[in-house]
Amino acid sequence: AQSVAQPEDQVNVAEGNPLTVKCTYSVSGNPYLFWYVQYPNRGLQFLLKYITGDNLVKGSYGFEAEFNKSQTSFHLKKPSALVSDSALYFCAVYPWGTGFQKLVFGTGTRLLVSP
Amino acid sequence: GAGVSQSPSNKVTEKGKDVELRCDPISGHTALYWYRQSLGQGLEFLIYFQGNSAPDKSGLPSDRFSAERTGGSVSTLTIQRTQQEDSAVYLCASSLEAGGAGDTQYFGPGTRLTVL
Repeated sequence: AQSVAQPEDQVNVAEGNPLTVKCTYSVSGNPYLFWYVQYPNRGLQFLLKYITGDNLVKGSYGFEAEFNKSQTSFHLKKPSALVSDSALYFCAVYPWGTGFQKLVFGTGTRLLVSP
Repeated sequence: GAGVSQSPSNKVTEKGKDVELRCDPISGHTALYWYRQSLGQGLEFLIYFQGNSAPDKSGLPSDRFSAERTGGSVSTLTIQRTQQEDSAVYLCASSLEAGGAGDTQYFGPGTRLTVL
């Protein structure tokens, strides 16, 4: 089965500190991995994606993520958190080549950045 | 440019009534998806359309749910005889092509459905 796990329901970090939001995946095909962010009462906004190539992917708003095939992880990172980064973050995987043509989402991690 | 739009933004209905939710995808996008986001349930895939192909309805929770896409553009999700458990945010997304190499899905703002 194709799945994504976000082991933390909530991550708390102080403004200015680095942040990490964890994601691990389990797919039978080649994983195409995505991060989305959801602000209150808004839809999902695309942050970044990994398709192939460099394992470190840079995205919007200063976020980046590192693809680690051996650990089947795709953790979202930012060197210096902002209060405005507080939101709900979703990791998703698209199991390319399996014929399963849908994004599979994790359950989401709420990021709370304190001033 | 215009993103994915959805209407209405909020819908309150009484149990047993039918509702229609509308999605207008990004121009030129051939793939369109519907998801449901319930409190504590995460994002649940419902249905997707790819061009003129038969839609993938594998995620629809019951036969009360149906969707259509007219002219390869606008889509309508219909819920008949609504139940309280149908209360959720319904999200629509579109991408250039379903199954394309890592095509990004772009989401609309959602419709919040409340069934009393």
